[in-house]
Amino acid sequence: GESVGLHLPTLSVQEGDNSIINCAYSNSASDYFIWYKQESGKGPQFIIDIRSNMDKRQGQRVTVLLNKTVKHLSLQIAATQPGDSAVYFCAERKRDTGRRALTFGSGTRLQVQP
Amino acid sequence: DGGITQSPKYLFRKEGQNVTLSCEQNLNHDAMYWYRQDPGQGLRLIYYSQIVNDFQKGDIAEGYSVSREKKESFPLTVTSAQKNPTAFYLCASSIVGQNNQPQHFGDGTRLSIL
Repeated sequence: GESVGLHLPTLSVQEGDNSIINCAYSNSASDYFIWYKQESGKGPQFIIDIRSNMDKRQGQRVTVLLNKTVKHLSLQIAATQPGDSAVYFCAERKRDTGRRALTFGSGTRLQVQP
Repeated sequence: DGGITQSPKYLFRKEGQNVTLSCEQNLNHDAMYWYRQDPGQGLRLIYYSQIVNDFQKGDIAEGYSVSREKKESFPLTVTSAQKNPTAFYLCASSIVGQNNQPQHFGDGTRLSIL
């Protein structure tokens, strides 16, 4: 079935570098996307979201890019810090299903080396 | 502070036993959700509710039941019919009425089998 695809890799970066986490989605009917950060033993924490009528959205130190042509979503973290170490999930919501629940990918682990 | 409270943090189930996980929110959100997370995987939707006294099955509802008697509460019962209940259970809530609102999560309940 259609799903948000993110085969769980581990991304290791040096403190201060920029990080880019990628997500491929397969459902062209999705209209809303969210990035979450999950630390060990805790629930996912909202980072940033983007609607399908946008290509880019910026937050504090984070930027989300959406390429609908190739169904690709990315999260960029500037000046990565040790506190950014966590598992990052992308999630999508299908348009007009009446169901507001999200479909999640399997996550990427970000390790920040001091 | 407003938020979502899940209890207990750890729960153990014996064979043939039903157990109930609590989820309470004081965010005044209409919609609430239950997800299951297995190690190294993303979240899968069990049940969701968009209004009091109404709820819908998600993708993996078999072996689970819910109730929504109050806006702020959405308890999940893991029944003896759920043969593989060991997982991390996450409750979330969101605003209804505005199309693009992120879900906010509690810190989860980890259920294990004795």
